[in-house]
Amino acid sequence: KNEVEQSPQNLTAQEGEFITINCSYSVGISALHWLQQHPGGGIVSLFMLSSGKKKHGRLIATINIQEKHSSLHITASHPRDSAVYICAGQGAQKLVFGQGTRLTINP
Amino acid sequence: DTGVSQDPRHKITKRGQNVTFRCDPISEHNRLYWYRQTLGQGPEFLTYFQNEAQLEKSRLLSDRFSAERPKGSFSTLEIQRTEQGDSAMYLCASSPTGTFGYTFGSGTRLTVV
Repeated sequence: KNEVEQSPQNLTAQEGEFITINCSYSVGISALHWLQQHPGGGIVSLFMLSSGKKKHGRLIATINIQEKHSSLHITASHPRDSAVYICAGQGAQKLVFGQGTRLTINP
Repeated sequence: DTGVSQDPRHKITKRGQNVTFRCDPISEHNRLYWYRQTLGQGPEFLTYFQNEAQLEKSRLLSDRFSAERPKGSFSTLEIQRTEQGDSAMYLCASSPTGTFGYTFGSGTRLTVV
């Protein structure tokens, strides 16, 4: 059983919609990363959270330590937001990745 | 510094051949990680280095896999006697010691035919 679980696996929405991707993690995870992966493979780090909430532009990430749950929100979604979004838990020495959420935003 | 660079970007090889990939991390980053990602899945940890020392290896890393970071700078990942199941994206990442800020390379996509 993976220590980091994401949902949904696939998400299709219309431009402008509010997007939420969820991530649950197990004990032993000290921080949570949200990453973006475009076709071709390159991964970009969006956020690292150990508590509370962070915002960057139209992206918002929240984490609830007690419930071991994090969410990534995208406001006013745009087709260029289409990508795979991955949450990854920070273990003692390495990242443990979720399976990713493939997001497609249609114009 | 242009970030983490991986070479080659793509590699097609015949089953049974050996392949070697290279990762050049950000120069100030002491830690270097290798991950493997198969289609539709998140990356899985393979191994990591603190400077030149290989500190942890996943059980995914069979005897056919070996990784080195001889001078604590670039790293190589070699796969001997490749199998079709080795087809995947091999990702490298680096981070400074004491922080959890990672920078990822663009990956090497391996196809074993």
